[in-house]
Amino acid sequence: SQQGEEDPQALSIQEGENATMNCSYKTSINNLQWYRQNSGRGLVHLILIRSNEREKHSGRLRVTLDTSKKSSSLLITASRAADTASYFCATGVNTGGFKTIFGAGTRLFVKA
Amino acid sequence: DAGVIQSPRHEVTEMGQEVTLRCKPISGHDYLFWYRQTMMRGLELLIYFNNNVPIDDSGMPEDRFSAKMPNASFSTLKIQPSEPRDSAVYFCASSLAGTGNTIYFGEGSWLTVV
Repeated sequence: SQQGEEDPQALSIQEGENATMNCSYKTSINNLQWYRQNSGRGLVHLILIRSNEREKHSGRLRVTLDTSKKSSSLLITASRAADTASYFCATGVNTGGFKTIFGAGTRLFVKA
Repeated sequence: DAGVIQSPRHEVTEMGQEVTLRCKPISGHDYLFWYRQTMMRGLELLIYFNNNVPIDDSGMPEDRFSAKMPNASFSTLKIQPSEPRDSAVYFCASSLAGTGNTIYFGEGSWLTVV
């Protein structure tokens, strides 16, 4: 079963608006990562937040992590049409090696 | 850096045929992952290797699937015999321990079994 579950499944916004995506997970983690996937392409890493961190920024991206609630959020500010993609959260679990499990993803559509 | 290289990019094959997908990870990376992506099941981890050794193959759907990593720069995922329900995008990815396990994906192999 998948470790992370994103919410919402799909999101449609206007260019310039902020987009917020949420992720919930089930077990203890070492870190949580967010990835982006453009249609027909492989996933690309966006940002990583460690289990002892609460918030992290990278450009227009802001990620929060609440380990007590087993949840994370990804905020994209001032969205652009080029941000249209699917966004996945992924949790890293130490099982003797590092196993990374992906959620179902949020499909974001930014209208120009 | 060339990134993770997968081949073939697209393959259409008939049910019952053997399919071999190939992957060259990023040089120096010590983890290699095989994922499968479908609309119904999302992105599933099939198997991963550390230093060429399979660590967890619990995601491999059945005995028709096998994966090998004979050396640090090459891995294969084989399906024999293939079935229509195997149609999916298969991603190979690699990472380097100590970097938070940021995973670098290839562009995927799009498999259609008819």
